[in-house]
Amino acid sequence: DAGVIQSPRHEVTEMGQEVTLRCKPISGHNSLFWYRQTMMRGLELLIYFNNNVPIDDSGMPEDRFSAKMPNASFSTLKIQPSEPRDSAVYFCASRYISIPETQYFGPGTRLLVL
Amino acid sequence: GENVEQHPSTLSVQEGDSAVIKCTYSDSASNYFPWYKQELGKGPQLIIDIRSNVGEKKDQRIAVTLNKTAKHFSLHITETQPEDSAVYFCAASIVLGNSGYALNFGKGTSLLVTP
Repeated sequence: DAGVIQSPRHEVTEMGQEVTLRCKPISGHNSLFWYRQTMMRGLELLIYFNNNVPIDDSGMPEDRFSAKMPNASFSTLKIQPSEPRDSAVYFCASRYISIPETQYFGPGTRLLVL
Repeated sequence: GENVEQHPSTLSVQEGDSAVIKCTYSDSASNYFPWYKQELGKGPQLIIDIRSNVGEKKDQRIAVTLNKTAKHFSLHITETQPEDSAVYFCAASIVLGNSGYALNFGKGTSLLVTP
């Protein structure tokens, strides 16, 4: 099993640019989570999907953030326009709905907005 | 939202000693408590978990204990080795409305094992 795959692994962009982060969950998993990790706030849940449907997006910081899951094997997190305070490591995690709690994390995307 | 408190934030031990990390949670409905290890530049990896119907679980050098009454759980690492150096996160399950489960994470403990 390849595990959760995220791309890019590193992203450096300028303030105001659009950023798109990508995630491929573990095959067969039907829940997907996006997290943001910073030193100050730790791991924060941004949004999660069950069977490709967004279930809870209360953690999405503001309208500049959006997430989609067009099919069971792909999700994107988009930031438009990006700001320096968005600099963080963004993780994607997936799980089986039938094993509701156990999540498996990807390697993360380290985002730096200048 | 419901919080998970984790202590200490940093921990330094000598190789061979034991390390203990403690967490408390506030949501009485939490019934699943995983621990993750995060090495530099990597995502958190599940190392052990415990459910609320169990008080203790052991896997080689690591063990977790759970006290549901007091709402606290702990990670114990015995005979520590330099490769145990990492950031460790505890988490507690939460229910999001009618829609499913998620995890609330502690802020992490940076463990350093010195040879």
